[in-house]
Amino acid sequence: EVQLVESGGGLVQPGGSLRLSCAASGLTFSSVWFHWVRQAPGKGLAWVSRITGDGSSTSYADSVKGRFTISTDNAKNTVYLQMNSLRAEDTAVYYCATDGSYSYTFWGQGTLVTVSS
Amino acid sequence: QTVVTQEPSFSVSPGGTVTLTCGLSSGSVSTNNFPSWYQQTPGQAPRTLIYSTNTRFSGVPDRFSGSILGNRAALTITGAQADDESDYYCVLYMGSGIWVFGGGTKLAVL
Repeated sequence: EVQLVESGGGLVQPGGSLRLSCAASGLTFSSVWFHWVRQAPGKGLAWVSRITGDGSSTSYADSVKGRFTISTDNAKNTVYLQMNSLRAEDTAVYYCATDGSYSYTFWGQGTLVTVSS
Repeated sequence: QTVVTQEPSFSVSPGGTVTLTCGLSSGSVSTNNFPSWYQQTPGQAPRTLIYSTNTRFSGVPDRFSGSILGNRAALTITGAQADDESDYYCVLYMGSGIWVFGGGTKLAVL
């Protein structure tokens, strides 16, 4: 059974940094692409970033490019999202999801990031 | 900037059939966009329904189906049930490693 467990969310001040983690199990980690998707309070879903399982290729939404960095640790079967220069509009629940045929398949339960002074 | 469009809201009677659509502000949706569909209830993570246009995800009942209708992707629910009342999101692959979600459709079953 595929499981994705996010962690690392919390309250951070504007301009601050946070690193989210997504621990994956039940899959061949290096063969899977991973995404981060976020949802601001009361709003819809928004794609944030994607990485191949071997970490060789990444992509980002324009709204986070240059501020967020996605990475993997194959030894720990974990995907990370390093978030720098955080803004109020980055406040959201962040979900980790696996990719299947350029779509999302399995989802984690999400972790809440709140950017506020 | 490309915008993915969905109906903001829709209603269906119990047992009825409803088709939700997903379009582009400019151009047509095709299988090359790998349209996919997700169901979400308040406070819960999204649930994958359909991927790669028309492939049902594991465990999804066959009353959910995906297709291309004209220039839009479509999600059809036949025999609607009360617990189908949810938000439904589509997402399109735009190429170059970029995905864009639609704004979501709030479906009422009444």
